[in-house]
Amino acid sequence: DAGVIQSPRHEVTEMGQEVTLRCKPISGHNSLFWYRQTMMRGLELLIYFNNNVPIDDSGMPEDRFSAKMPNASFSTLKIQPSEPRDSAVYFCASSYPTGAPLTDTQYFGPGTRLTVL
Amino acid sequence: GNSVTQMEGPVTLSEEAFLTINCTYTATGYPSLFWYVQYPGEGLQLLLKATKADDKGSNKGFEATYRKETTSFHLEKGSVQVSDSAVYFCALSDLTGNQFYFGTGTSLTVIP
Repeated sequence: DAGVIQSPRHEVTEMGQEVTLRCKPISGHNSLFWYRQTMMRGLELLIYFNNNVPIDDSGMPEDRFSAKMPNASFSTLKIQPSEPRDSAVYFCASSYPTGAPLTDTQYFGPGTRLTVL
Repeated sequence: GNSVTQMEGPVTLSEEAFLTINCTYTATGYPSLFWYVQYPGEGLQLLLKATKADDKGSNKGFEATYRKETTSFHLEKGSVQVSDSAVYFCALSDLTGNQFYFGTGTSLTVIP
């Protein structure tokens, strides 16, 4: 299995620019999660999807952040405009189909390290 | 509300030493409990989990027992190796399966 694939692995951009992070979940998984990891706040769940539908986006920090899942094999997390405080590692994870996505094992991608100058 | 508290790091041990990383939780009902491990430069991997009281999760020599009476899920290993050096995260999923919480992580370094 290829595992969860994230791109790019590293992104450096300037404040005010749009940033798009991409994720391909493991084939057959129907839940997808976006996390942000920083030294100050640790690991935070931003949003998760079940069957391509956003279930809970209460962790999305503000309107500058948006996430989409147009099909079962692809998701994006967009930040527009980006700010230096958005610098973090962003992880995507996916899990098997069951009735309660957050009780299942989550399989994490390698992460995207974002630096906003 | 729900939350997870784990011991502050960093933890440094000599090879073959005994490891305990404490984790306590606050939750309504009986959450599912997890330990994830993050090796340098990688994403998190599930290490073990337990879904009901008194269950013991185990993997790669690591163990954790779901203790309802003490609301704890401490991670233990009898003899650590250099390859166990990583950051360990305790996590819980609430009763409804609609919320997921990670602890702040505990960094472990094992020296030869």
